Amino acid sequence: QVTLKESGPVLVKPTETLTLTCTVSGFSLSRPRVGVSWVRQPPGKPLEWLAHIFPNDEKSYSTSLKSRLTISKDTSRSQVVLALTNLDPVDTATYYCARILGYCFGSKCYWRFDYWGQGTLVTVSS
Amino acid sequence: DIQMTQSPSSLSASVGDTVTITCRASQVIADYLAWFQQKPGKAPKSLIYGASNLQGGVPSRFSGSGSGTDFTLTISSLQPEDFATYYCQQYESDQVTFGQGTRLEIK
Repeated sequence: QVTLKESGPVLVKPTETLTLTCTVSGFSLSRPRVGVSWVRQPPGKPLEWLAHIFPNDEKSYSTSLKSRLTISKDTSRSQVVLALTNLDPVDTATYYCARILGYCFGSKCYWRFDYWGQGTLVTVSS
Repeated sequence: DIQMTQSPSSLSASVGDTVTITCRASQVIADYLAWFQQKPGKAPKSLIYGASNLQGGVPSRFSGSGSGTDFTLTISSLQPEDFATYYCQQYESDQVTFGQGTRLEIK
């Protein structure tokens, strides 16, 4: 049974760094063509993709947030960590992690989402 | 970035109806298009990938079609549990983008 669960602080102050952990079970982070993605959703707003981490440890970031985001993984602990620096109240959102599955044609791979975590609401406020 | 535009932004329908939601990409994305369902206070649920492939466990009343820039999600014989918000998403580009969502309400 595949599950993902997000954890981290519920309240952070402006200018601080948010660190979120996604703990996965039912699959290995070292499995070929399996990665993890982070997506967020401000209250009442649409989904916004943040970052992917791939099986070979390569990363991909949202262009608009790239300077503030870092994604990493600890395969032995089945965890993926997302850090977002210099927080602002507009970063208040529910943060989700999701499993992504890749299929490749030549040098190009495409990554689709399947399982999602339940999400964690983070509020940025002084 | 590729922009995804959904229409309508909301619609009302009755149990048993068939509804169609449209998603348009700002450039060609082949069939690298997914649909998600989200209920209030819950995580998104993956419904369709590759424009027309159902995720495991998704009822067959859900179907997707399209390729290139224009895509549709059709829900046949609406059930009470289908009233939710639906999002399309493109994953052709390294910069994944979502549509703004379509809220499906009970008439």
